[in-house]
Amino acid sequence: GAGVSQTPSNKVTEKGKYVELRCDPISGHTALYWYRQSLGQGPEFLIYFQGTGAADDSGLPNDRFFAVRPEGSVSTLKIQRTERGDSAMYLCASSLAALDTQYFGPGTRLTVL
Amino acid sequence: DAKTTQPNSMESNEEEPVHLPCNHSTISGTDYIHWYRQLPSQGPEYVIHGLTSNVNNRMASLAIAEDRKSSTLILHRATLRDAAVYYCIPAPSGTYKYIFGTGTRLKVLA
Repeated sequence: GAGVSQTPSNKVTEKGKYVELRCDPISGHTALYWYRQSLGQGPEFLIYFQGTGAADDSGLPNDRFFAVRPEGSVSTLKIQRTERGDSAMYLCASSLAALDTQYFGPGTRLTVL
Repeated sequence: DAKTTQPNSMESNEEEPVHLPCNHSTISGTDYIHWYRQLPSQGPEYVIHGLTSNVNNRMASLAIAEDRKSSTLILHRATLRDAAVYYCIPAPSGTYKYIFGTGTRLKVLA
């Protein structure tokens, strides 16, 4: 079946702009996660959704980052007033239930000029 | 959270077995040991996980030391497609917040 998909695959923006990154989880998966991966590092947890609600947003670096999942399926990660330090790979994962194996998408490479 | 130590990189010849080590000396008794790998330009991919006993699946085997302070991921016959960064992740039962570390970059030589 279809895996986790993320769009766009690449996003180039200018410092100060607003960006939205989209994640389509595997159909039927109730849990959804966002991670951020800097070059040469492993992914770092940002936020976890169970259904429509953000159950844990402790990894979001600051209030410029926000994520939603209004219907319990697709999620959007939103970054306001982007900074060069936000440049990274943003990964989305989903799992059937909260503690099950996480399946990752291919990521969105964000570059802030 | 348990700290992990993995070699930065390893090399293997194609069709030979590969043993990828991970030290996790501060692991707690209820932490599962997960292994993920990340192929170039892709998101991480689940490989295997275990608690105490050795585990096998179609991708790999996981050998866990008796004191659980280390584990070894075994690829029985490496292929070029196995070239990836391999992450060892001790995680408490019931956690969703994986801590990946920097992993081991495996290079497979033809």
